[in-house]
Amino acid sequence: SQTIHQWPATLVQPVGSPLSLECTVEGTSNPNLYWYRQAAGRGLQLLFYSVGIGQISSEVPQNLSASRPQDRQFILSSKKLLLSDSGFYLCAWSVYGGSNQPQHFGDGTRLSIL
Amino acid sequence: AQTVTQSQPEMSVQEAETVTLSCTYDTSESNYYLFWYKQPPSRQMILVIRQEAYKQQNATENRFSVNFQKAAKSFSLKISDSQLGDTAMYFCAFARGGGADGLTFGKGTHLIIQP
Repeated sequence: SQTIHQWPATLVQPVGSPLSLECTVEGTSNPNLYWYRQAAGRGLQLLFYSVGIGQISSEVPQNLSASRPQDRQFILSSKKLLLSDSGFYLCAWSVYGGSNQPQHFGDGTRLSIL
Repeated sequence: AQTVTQSQPEMSVQEAETVTLSCTYDTSESNYYLFWYKQPPSRQMILVIRQEAYKQQNATENRFSVNFQKAAKSFSLKISDSQLGDTAMYFCAFARGGGADGLTFGKGTHLIIQP
């Protein structure tokens, strides 16, 4: 069966520090991968998606970047965090091939910026 | 671009009652998919139900069913015989057909099932 792992679960970082959140998927090949952010009391906002190694599409201009160095690995990064980067970050995957496939989410990372 | 609107920030019902959560969307796409996700206090996102826009038949998954009105761009979720474990945030989501560019979510409805 397929599983998705996302870490760390909780992170507290000072303003201006770098960020690296990692997400890996097991049990499938060539998945579509996604990063979402959920601000307090709000829905999820798509940040990045990837349909293959090295292929990253950005939905929202921001202080963040994403990379996909391996087929089942998706990394969210920042060089200098802002207070507005606080939130709950969710990684998701779906079967390669289109939007009719449901997305499966990781457990999320709660990021607090001080 | 598409938008998803959930007009009920919070709802509360008694256990065993039936509850309907509303969702409307706006899109110029003809091929798309709609989803309901549940986010319990653990914050894990769980797929509840999925509807293909080209299908007229409403999707059903056990106690969960949808009322899909394509012309009205409405996609409501009905939960029958509600249970305490149904307490969660519920998000309606839209996916454009033929692409892999992610989901557009509504802001969610917080559903509380009272004992």
